[in-house]
Amino acid sequence: QQQVKQSPQSLIVQKGGIPIINCAYENTAFDYFPWYQQFPGKGPALLIAIRPDVSEKKEGRFTISFNKSAKQFSLHIMDSQPGDSATYFCAASNGRSQGAQKLVFGQGTRLTINP
Amino acid sequence: NAGVMQNPRHLVRRRGQEARLRCSPMKGHSHVYWYRQLPEEGLKFMVYLQKENIIDESGMPKERFSAEFPKEGPSILRIQQVVRGDSAAYFCASSLTGQGTEAFFGQGTRLTVV
Repeated sequence: QQQVKQSPQSLIVQKGGIPIINCAYENTAFDYFPWYQQFPGKGPALLIAIRPDVSEKKEGRFTISFNKSAKQFSLHIMDSQPGDSATYFCAASNGRSQGAQKLVFGQGTRLTINP
Repeated sequence: NAGVMQNPRHLVRRRGQEARLRCSPMKGHSHVYWYRQLPEEGLKFMVYLQKENIIDESGMPKERFSAEFPKEGPSILRIQQVVRGDSAAYFCASSLTGQGTEAFFGQGTRLTVV
């Protein structure tokens, strides 16, 4: 019940394309869903996050779509660039409890954007 | 306005030695989380600490691992009698409060046990 399942494991997209990464969860107590970007040798950096009271959130070229009934959420990257090549992690937590940043992470997606 | 500082960045230990990993949270942050990342895997929660208190250690192995966050100084993750399976990247994150605020990650300590 604590798992977050992420797919695909790896993804290759041409520059300008729209990579989509999907995550699914089981625990209905989760109510905070962030996406992190990680470059080799670096720590994860928060990209964008959503709470289940909205179905979509957009920040710049990054969009989260959220489907509460299906317990799924996804990350879309518009007009992808080679600099977006990184590993992306979805995560979930019970954002209103003490220790809200006790995050459960997906397995990660290694994204490559070809020039 | 430094971010979360972890040191050392790389640590090599022989089997049976002790590894000590340090994390200085962002200025003003009193909530610290430790995560472990095995190669090609996501991060796994280990422990959540506030100053001088362990709040949640549900992700910590029962033996050899301990963590502290003293009143003064950095948070320390200690691994005694390291084994090859402890080789991983260990990340620390800090947040301003324990509820609903963004956690900022350090660059990690990459532990290699030889």
